[in-house]
Amino acid sequence: AQSVTQPDIHITVSEGASLELRCNYSYGATPYLFWYVQSPGQGLQLLLKYFSGDTLVQGIKGFEAEFKRSQSSFNLRKPSVHWSDAAEYFCAVGNYGGATNKLIFGTGTLLAVQP
Amino acid sequence: NAGVTQTPKFRILKIGQSMTLQCTQDMNHNYMYWYRQDPGMGLKLIYYSVGAGITDKGEVPNGYNVSRSTTEDFPLRLELAAPSQTSVYFCASSDPREFYGYTFGSGTRLTVV
Repeated sequence: AQSVTQPDIHITVSEGASLELRCNYSYGATPYLFWYVQSPGQGLQLLLKYFSGDTLVQGIKGFEAEFKRSQSSFNLRKPSVHWSDAAEYFCAVGNYGGATNKLIFGTGTLLAVQP
Repeated sequence: NAGVTQTPKFRILKIGQSMTLQCTQDMNHNYMYWYRQDPGMGLKLIYYSVGAGITDKGEVPNGYNVSRSTTEDFPLRLELAAPSQTSVYFCASSDPREFYGYTFGSGTRLTVV
């Protein structure tokens, strides 16, 4: 079955510390992978995406993610977290070249940033 | 460029009432989607459409209906509201020719009491 797992429901980091949010997927076809961020009361904003090529992708706001096919993972990282990064983060997977562009979302990881 | 616009932003319904959540996009995207978001559950696909006149069920379609008469509009209809439909609803769109991900609306927070 197709699925996305974000094992960490809630993470707290100190401002300036590094961050890694985990995402594992199960998908039969060649996946394309996304990370979205949702600030309180807002819609979802695309942080970055992976379709093919270089497995380390750069996104907005200083985030990056690495695709590891052997581990079925697409973890999100940031070297130094800012207080404004406090939000909920969603990993999503879809079918590259599919007919509908439907995405499957993980359950999200809520990030809190301590001063 | 407005992107995806959802109305209303907030609504309280009584059990058994009906309402339509509106969604409009101005990017000429053929693909549109409705998701619901519940705490700890992520986003679940309700219905989607690949073009005007074409709709299909997603993962959680029960209690909802959709229509797609134009490329721009994709309304979601709740016929007999139930407490289980209390949620945040997001509309999204994408371009089938170049998939850069979804553009989301800002959401509708619905409470059924």
